[in-house]
Amino acid sequence: AQSVTQPDIHITVSEGASLELRCNYSYGATPYLFWYVQSPGQGLQLLLKYFSGDTLVQGIKGFEAEFKRSQSSFNLRKPSVHWSDAAEYFCAVGDSWGKLQFGAGTQVVVTP
Amino acid sequence: DARVTQTPRHKVTEMGQEVTMRCQPILGHNTVFWYRQTMMQGLELLAYFRNRAPLDDSGMPKDRFSAEMPDATLATLKIQPSEPRDSAVYFCASGLEVGTEAFFGQGTRLTVV
Repeated sequence: AQSVTQPDIHITVSEGASLELRCNYSYGATPYLFWYVQSPGQGLQLLLKYFSGDTLVQGIKGFEAEFKRSQSSFNLRKPSVHWSDAAEYFCAVGDSWGKLQFGAGTQVVVTP
Repeated sequence: DARVTQTPRHKVTEMGQEVTMRCQPILGHNTVFWYRQTMMQGLELLAYFRNRAPLDDSGMPKDRFSAEMPDATLATLKIQPSEPRDSAVYFCASGLEVGTEAFFGQGTRLTVV
C-alpha cells in the first residue's frame, strides 16, 4: 500500500524568500506523484505532477518539484514566495489503479 | 470551463437524518473519487469508481455510508443515519485515466448537530 509523509505541519516564510516543502512516499513501483494546493474554503488545485522522464518538473505559479527515487522524495520548491502563496499544500501518490493517497498537508504562512 | 460540481455546498442536519451529497464529474472523465477532509484525519479516500463501477470503498463506514454512480454524469454519497462525527468537508474529484490528475470539486461542508 502506498503512503505519503509530509514532515512539516506548518511553515512560516517571509515574502520574497524561498520555500521548500518536503514529501516522502512509500510505494513498491514507480509512483505517480502530485502536489496540490488548497486555499481556505476551496477545493484542491493541481500544482504539478510527475509520471516519468525528467525528474525536475515545473508547475503553475512558479513552483517546481524534484523526484529523487533514492530518497523516495518529491519536494516542492519556489524561489520567491508571494503573499498569495499562503495556503495548505498536499503531496499525493497515485498507484496503477488511479488511487490517490494524500499526505497530511503543510500549512504555509507568508509574512510581510 | 470544465469543472466538477458538488451540491449542496453546505449542509446542516440533525443527527439521525439522511444526507445525500451529489457530484457531477467532468464530462468524459471515467474515474470518480470521494474524499473526506477533517482536521484530525486530513484527506481520507472513502471510495472511488472507474467507469461507474466501484473499485475500492474500503475507506467508508459500511453500516451508514453508501456511494453510487447511477449514471456517468452523477455520483452520490449517502449517509444514513448521520452522526456528529460525520461532520467534515466531503470532496468529489474526477479523472480521465490512471496516472492523470484528479480534478476536485469545491466540496460539501457537512455539519451534523
